[in-house]
Amino acid sequence: AQSVTQLDSQVPVFEEAPVELRCNYSSSVSVYLFWYVQYPNQGLQLLLKYLSGSTLVESINGFEAEFNKSQTSFHLRKPSVHISDTAEYFCAVSERKAAGNKLTFGGGTRVLVKP
Amino acid sequence: EAGVAQSPRYKIIEKRQSVAFWCNPISGHATLYWYQQILGQGPKLLIQFQNNGVVDDSQLPKDRFSAERLKGVDSTLKIQPAKLEDSAVYLCASSLATLGTEAFFGQGTRLTVV
Repeated sequence: AQSVTQLDSQVPVFEEAPVELRCNYSSSVSVYLFWYVQYPNQGLQLLLKYLSGSTLVESINGFEAEFNKSQTSFHLRKPSVHISDTAEYFCAVSERKAAGNKLTFGGGTRVLVKP
Repeated sequence: EAGVAQSPRYKIIEKRQSVAFWCNPISGHATLYWYQQILGQGPKLLIQFQNNGVVDDSQLPKDRFSAERLKGVDSTLKIQPAKLEDSAVYLCASSLATLGTEAFFGQGTRLTVV
């Protein structure tokens, strides 16, 4: 069984400041790693994912996350946030096996960007 | 490309009543998931279908919850009878069967049990 811990439930940040959202996971098998974002009154959308290869992955809107196997972490960062980045962010894992892609989510981190 | 469709968007019922949610996944997606998201928590998987077969329903409270996916396309999730603690957003998602592929989520149904 897997579990995901997001260490911060809320992160207030000023516009144009950097932000880091922390995610740690636990699993007895190898996993794929994901970050999903949920904007107000919208469904979950994939932000980025790590499947294999380079441990640093990037999204099209400036976010990046680094897979650290030894620390079982997948922290999300953005060097300069915009007001539009206000949302809830969920870290998730799925097992690398043939039984499907079920996701185990963390509790979420709510990011509030202030002007 | 049409996304995952869910209905209704909102539902208010009294405890002990029954309720049903409907989901239409993205065309061609073999895998369909139902998640429950309680306020302030991350989504929790209730049931996963591959075509019209159940892959995982280990966290589905089977004494009151049921789900089906007839013909491997649309799906319904039913609660009977509802309890106060069932108040949550019920999310449907779909994906291709390929490992590591993205799951696409619908907007969810917000259920309030009073």
